[in-house]
Amino acid sequence: SAVISQKPSRDICQRGTSLTIQCQVDSQVTMMFWYRQQPGQSLTLIATANQGSEATYESGFVIDKFPISRPNLTFSTLTVSNMSPEDSSIYLCSVAGGVTDTQYFGPGTRLTVL
Amino acid sequence: GEDVEQSLFLSVREGDSSVINCTYTDSSSTYLYWYKQEPGAGLQLLTYIFSNMDMKQDQRLTVLLNKKDKHLSLRIADTQTGDSAIYFCAESFSGGYQKVTFGIGTKLQVIP
Repeated sequence: SAVISQKPSRDICQRGTSLTIQCQVDSQVTMMFWYRQQPGQSLTLIATANQGSEATYESGFVIDKFPISRPNLTFSTLTVSNMSPEDSSIYLCSVAGGVTDTQYFGPGTRLTVL
Repeated sequence: GEDVEQSLFLSVREGDSSVINCTYTDSSSTYLYWYKQEPGAGLQLLTYIFSNMDMKQDQRLTVLLNKKDKHLSLRIADTQTGDSAIYFCAESFSGGYQKVTFGIGTKLQVIP
């Protein structure tokens, strides 16, 4: 399976600010995804990060709030913009393709917005 | 629409078997997964089964699939305290290349 790292692992931010989360994979993968896990809840897909084109967002999520970059086959970023306490969640990236056809998850970024 | 349901909590004694159940609604699901999340950690893919299979065994883990009833179960034999975690049932249509839909997770508590 692919080895996935995320930075930062956790952060505490003030409302109104933005945070960019990085996801790095140790091998080239076709697909990268960003999920949100709100406290005590399951995972919800935010968007699919496509290499060389704009991300594809799920219903309820918009690019202005969650801009995503995917500059190459091993790296992606998710920005949480203009944060509010409701954005406090764990944000996880996952990957598929390359050496794997199932989704493997990174360790997550635990975000607290005050 | 897609929906995955599972019970919230299961408590077992160390050494006993644990059975975590899940139902899903999307009959077009081809991949069915079990992920494990330990406190403060990310998700670990435990195992998965294709929809054309009835059973898959991997060491202490046994996955049973009843496709007619859209019921999936995960059995953990000889449950250990290190198995205490949240277990997520999940499904997708085409493996990892599309959205994976998760259940809410079953918290397994192992009593020493």
